[in-house]
This record gives sequence, C-alpha cells and structure tokens, in this order.
Amino acid sequence: SQQGEEDPQALSIQEGENATMNCSYKTSINNLQWYRQNSGRGLVHLILIRSNEREKHSGRLRVTLDTSKKSSSLLITASRAADTASYFCATDGTGNQFYFGTGTSLTVIP
Amino acid sequence: DVKVTQSSRYLVKRTGEKVFLECVQDMDHENMFWYRQDPGLGLRLIYFSYDVKMKEKGDIPEGYSVSREKKERFSLILESASTNQTSMYLCASSLPWTGVDEKLFFGSGTQLSVL
Repeated sequence: SQQGEEDPQALSIQEGENATMNCSYKTSINNLQWYRQNSGRGLVHLILIRSNEREKHSGRLRVTLDTSKKSSSLLITASRAADTASYFCATDGTGNQFYFGTGTSLTVIP
Repeated sequence: DVKVTQSSRYLVKRTGEKVFLECVQDMDHENMFWYRQDPGLGLRLIYFSYDVKMKEKGDIPEGYSVSREKKERFSLILESASTNQTSMYLCASSLPWTGVDEKLFFGSGTQLSVL
C-alpha cells in the first residue's frame, strides 16, 4: 500500500499554542496535500505543496516538505478551539489516485 | 463552491441486502472516488472513475461495484451487504490530473451499519 502515516495519532494542546503534526509517505510524489475532518463529516482541503516546494503558508498554516526523507509537517499556529479536528495528509499516486494517511486527532482545549 | 452530495447521512441495512450509495457533484468534475473510513485505518480507496462509464479498482474493491452513467453521479453498490462493510463511506470528486490543482472535494459521508 502507498498509504502514508501521520504522527502523532493524537495531540492535545491548550488554546493559543502551536500544533505540529507529521506525515511520512512511501513513494515518489508530485504533490502532497493536507485535509481536515470535523467529527463525523467529510474532509476539507487545507493546503497543497508540490514536490519542488519546501515550504508553503496559508493563514495560520505552515506546511513543509522534505522529499529526501519522504516526510511533511503541518504547523497550526495560535490554535483555537475550532481547530479541533482530525488532520490527514494525502499524496498523489499513479492513475488519478490519492493515498491518505491514518490521521492525527487534534484537540484544542479552551 | 463545489458541492458533493451523498444521498444519506445514516443508513442501516440487513446482512445480504443490496445497498446503493449515491453521490452527486455539481462542478462538472471528471474524477469521482469512493472511500471507506475506519478507525485506525484511515481512508481506503474502493473505486474511482475518471470518465462516464469508466471505472478503476482501488485498494479494496472486493464486495463492491460502481456505476457511472452520468458525469455528475457516481454510485457505490454493495451487492450483498456484510457486517464487515459497516463503515463511513466518503465520496469525492476532482478535476483531472494536470499538475496544477488536483484537490479533492468530499461529501459529508454516509455512516452505514450492516446488522
């Protein structure tokens, strides 16, 4: 399977702190994406980083990509209670497929 | 905004029943996908389609089939439901792979329970 893996599986922080979650994957990629899922709902796209990029920002989100280590990190700065959700990384595969990791469950305590 | 609509949020079926999960998208996307999501296993691809009447197997197609008669609609069929198919089912759509913007748009999911 080309499925990636997020680390940690679960993360609990206080409001205002930064949250960092990591993703490792197995094969070469064209891009890597991060998605967010609120409990019991579908996933929402957050940010996409291409294989020739090393870092990307979007609002309070910062994503890094290290293709030599086949890993990525998602940093959420100044977290809010509303950031409580599960976060997934996804990599593109062959033939129009995406491969998702197992997710990091983030809890932000008010 | 792209809207991906799944016909049911919750569904309860009996073992052996034939089950249809419907998904409709309104943005003329070529690609459509069916995933199932289970705790600790993440999202696993069941089937996908990149054009009308085209389908490709994903990682776990056994026990499932799909139908795409129209571009906007992608149906997942459980021919004979079993208890191990109890899961959250997620439909998604995207533009074709161009190397520009291949993000997925998801529906809200269908929580299927097979008793």
